[in-house]
This record gives sequence, structure tokens and C-alpha cells, in this order.
Amino acid sequence: DAKTTQPTSMDCAEGRAANLPCNHSTISGNEYVYWYRQIHSQGPQYIIHGLKNNETNEMASLIITEDRKSSTLILPHATLRDTAVYYCIVRVAPGNQFYFGTGTSLTVIP
Amino acid sequence: DGGITQSPKYLFRKEGQNVTLSCEQNLNHDAMYWYRQDPGQGLRLIYYSQIVNDFQKGDIAEGYSVSREKKESFPLTVTSAQKNPTAFYLCASSRKYTSRNAYEQYFGPGTRLTVT
Repeated sequence: DAKTTQPTSMDCAEGRAANLPCNHSTISGNEYVYWYRQIHSQGPQYIIHGLKNNETNEMASLIITEDRKSSTLILPHATLRDTAVYYCIVRVAPGNQFYFGTGTSLTVIP
Repeated sequence: DGGITQSPKYLFRKEGQNVTLSCEQNLNHDAMYWYRQDPGQGLRLIYYSQIVNDFQKGDIAEGYSVSREKKESFPLTVTSAQKNPTAFYLCASSRKYTSRNAYEQYFGPGTRLTVT
């Protein structure tokens, strides 16, 4: 079951903000939204997660709409090392299971 | 240095052989997970375990088996019954799920299995 929908690919100029959208229209009240990224042939790296409020950490910001049906991951100043596949994931209880889609392939252009 | 180790990074087997992939963590996490990733695809859950001596099937458990005898270790066996075993296998761990808390999963570097 596809719980999230993301664009297949995006480009971003180096130094600019990268805004990655995600739709999760079937999310339920107790499900968290997580973002991970994966550089080719490595394990996914955790970025950020949230429930209802916007969140910020040293890597990124997460903006969740009021109805929680969509969210946006913001990388404020993209660098070449941010080129990766970004996954928006909804966590499912009771086993803390994650459902990964195919993600968005972000290319940061010099 | 805390983390998750998976070994080996590359593994080659002949069709019809069972093969066991190793996953060890020293993060003191209760929960551990196995995922499979095929080229150009996202990760799919094979098995997960929330506590020692207990585990549950994920979405694609057929042809796989696991054990959880120690908190630190969650080995995955790819049996000969798995029809398409060639894939990238990822192990993850997290603190134990509760209804009040959201815990991220930490991933290992993965094992790329090729069966010919």
C-alpha cells in the first residue's frame, strides 16, 4: 500500500533551498511523518520527523500542513553532498514499521 | 563508536543454497528490522523484532527466516525457497515502540547479495 506520494526527481541549484514535497492524504492521527535520504549503495540516513507541528534540526526543516495530508522537507542551503534519494515515510504502529516508497531523486547542480 | 554493522558487504551464492546475513548493533536498541531493496525501488520490510525471542513477519517474509536470541543480533537467512534473492539487504534498529513516542530507525551499511 502506497502511503506517501513524492515526485520522482528534482533539481536544485547549489546554495539554494531545496523544497521536497510529499503527499500522505491517508495519514491517521497517530502516524508520524519521517524523512530519510539514501546515497547510492548506502543505508538510509535519518533526517527529521514530525507529527503535527513544524520541526527543525541541524539538517533540515519539516513543514506539515494543518490537515496533515502533506508535508515539505526543506534543505535550506543545498550542497553537492545533498544529492541523494529522499524518502518521505509514514510510521505505522504497533511495530514502528516504516513504509518506503520510491522517493525523490534530488540532484544538486553546481 | 555506536552503530549497526552488517557483514559482509558483498555476498555471492549459488542458487539452491541457504545464506545467512549478519546484523549486529551496539546501540542498546530493543527493536531490529530487515529490509530488502531492489534496483530503483524503495525498501520493503521482511521481518522485525521488538524484543528478544520475538519477531513478526513484514510484507515480504516468504522465503526468509530470522532469529533473535540476543538483543544485539538479528541474523537473516535467505532460504532456497526465496524465488528472487538477489537484492540489497538492509538492517535497522530503533528503541522500542510505544504509543507515545516516535523513534527513528538507524540503518546499517547493507549487504549486497547476488545469487546465480
